[in-house]
Amino acid sequence: AQKVTQAQTEISVVEKEDVTLDCVYETRDTTYYLFWYKQPPSGELVFLIRRNSFDEQNEISGRYSWNFQKSTSSFNFTITASQVVDSAVYFCALNFDNDMRFGAGTRLTVKP
Amino acid sequence: NAGVTQTPKFQVLKTGQSMTLQCAQDMNHNSMYWYRQDPGMGLRLIYYSASEGTTDKGEVPNGYNVSRLNKREFSLRLESAAPSQTSVYFCASSTSGGSRSPQHFGDGTRLSIL
Repeated sequence: AQKVTQAQTEISVVEKEDVTLDCVYETRDTTYYLFWYKQPPSGELVFLIRRNSFDEQNEISGRYSWNFQKSTSSFNFTITASQVVDSAVYFCALNFDNDMRFGAGTRLTVKP
Repeated sequence: NAGVTQTPKFQVLKTGQSMTLQCAQDMNHNSMYWYRQDPGMGLRLIYYSASEGTTDKGEVPNGYNVSRLNKREFSLRLESAAPSQTSVYFCASSTSGGSRSPQHFGDGTRLSIL
């Protein structure tokens, strides 16, 4: 069975701090895709990144970076120099053959 | 550029009533999905349609039916609403089925069943 665990329910930081959101997944499949989505207070879901199971390169996009480690089944997300606009719920998800499983989400609050 | 449009945005039903949630996408995507989001549980897949003319069950299909009306539209029906179906419902679409394509979401429908 596929499962995604985001152990951090809520995180609160002060602006400009770095913050890492953890994501651990379980799957028996060898080919799968991992995703991160952002859900701001307005409620919509915004796609952030996709990573396939064969690509373990880390990725950086501006203040965002992602660390995929297949050996530990983790796909962690780091925000550098956090800003108030980063406040949102962040979801990690695992997709195999249309079976998309989301983690419970991590609510990040960035205080000014 | 509307993307994925869901109607209605809010709805209150009484137990036993029926309701159809509408979803339309204008991105020429082949695959469409319905999810429900409950507090502390993330999103759970109800049904999906990998391509026009096909539908399949997801993780939590009981109590729901779907119709892929055409390539653009994918509706979700509650035949006899129950309080346990109180949730926020999201429709999504992607370029193709399988696991590769990112899914693009609508703004959600907040449904309350009394």
